[in-house]
This record gives sequence, structure tokens and C-alpha cells, in this order.
Amino acid sequence: KAGVTQTPRYLIKTRGQQVTLSCSPISGHRSVSWYQQTPGQGLQFLFEYFSETQRNKGNFPGRFSGRQFSNSRSEMNVSTLELGDSALYLCASSLEFSGTAGWAGELFFGEGSRLTVL
Amino acid sequence: AQTVTQSQPEMSVQEAETVTLSCTYDTSESNYYLFWYKQPPSRQMILVIRQEAYKQQNATENRFSVNFQKAAKSFSLKISDSQLGDTAMYFCAFMNSGGYQKVTFGTGTKLQVIP
Repeated sequence: KAGVTQTPRYLIKTRGQQVTLSCSPISGHRSVSWYQQTPGQGLQFLFEYFSETQRNKGNFPGRFSGRQFSNSRSEMNVSTLELGDSALYLCASSLEFSGTAGWAGELFFGEGSRLTVL
Repeated sequence: AQTVTQSQPEMSVQEAETVTLSCTYDTSESNYYLFWYKQPPSRQMILVIRQEAYKQQNATENRFSVNFQKAAKSFSLKISDSQLGDTAMYFCAFMNSGGYQKVTFGTGTKLQVIP
């Protein structure tokens, strides 16, 4: 079974630009959440999607947005990039209900997309 | 809002020895889950162990066990017979039951296993 796939793995942008990151969850996982990881702040929750609906959102400015498609793939977008947006962006997928396939609360993470803003 | 505190930024342990990583949390909820996640260098984060708050019995997974003290809001991870592959960042994390996978992470403890 393929794991969580994030693309691109690395990217460099300049201030003011925008970026779109993609995440393909594990097959059968319908919940996708996004986290920002920085050395200073650790992992910060961005948002979570299920069935194309955002169910939860962290404390990030409106420049950070996301969406989920009908096949559960998700994208996040950051507009008007700032230097402080440089981070590792992690996507995680999970089951909606616990059962023989596993436990719903476990997050399965991708390798992340490392964004550098110059 | 929930907070998770890991007071040990870095730790080291000799191979085959035992090490304990500390974690405290703050919440007003009564039903929640606690986790330890492991992030090896340049590799994906994976779940090490989880604890349901309503269970008094401490969770164990092979060489990994926790000491869950609900009243003290403490959740430490013990790694027995440490192996080189245990070298990683370890994150303590919290999730409300029904929290739509919104997980609050601590700042992490970097564990180095020394041969």
C-alpha cells in the first residue's frame, strides 16, 4: 500500500510569490490534515479536510488556504509569501472510523514539502 | 486551548540502555488521546505509541512504554534496550476525542543513541 505522497519535495520561492503544495493520502483515507514544521515553533496545525470540507482550522492568516478533491487528494496554497513561511509542510492522512483497517486517530505522514522563501 | 510541553530539547543514551522522555500537557477536556511520534532524520514521522485518557493502564509497544499520570497531566515515554535506529526527534502529542485529527504537538526531544 502506497504511503502519503507529497509534491514537490523541495521548492524555493521569493517573497510575494504564491505556492501550491499537493498531498495524496493513503488509499482509503478520507481525512487529510496539514502541519507546518519550523525549528522555532515545532509542528503547528494548519487545517483538516474530510469529504472536500474543511472541518478544522489552526491559527494561521488567510494567506494559507487549502482544499480537498473528491478523490481525497488535497492541496494547500500560500499566497504573498513571507520569509517566515519557510518551513517543512507536512501532510497527514487518517481513517475516518476505526476498524479492521486500523485506528482512526493515527496520523500517517508524508515526507513533507520543504519550502524556502528568499 | 491545549498545550503540550517537552522540557528536554536533547537527550542521549548509550545503546542497550534505558531512557525516559518527559511530556506534560494542559487541557480541560476529560476525553482525549496522547501520543508519541518519532521523526527519524530525513524520514517520515511515525506513531510510536498512543494512550487513551480513559484507560488507567499504561500503554506498551515492545520496547516502548509510557507512564501516564492523568491527574498530574504527565505522559512520559520510556525506551528500553535503546537501539541505534531509535535516534530521532520524538514528539509528544495530544488530540481531543472527536477532534477531527487536530493534533497539538510538543516542541520535540532530539534523542541520540550512542554506540
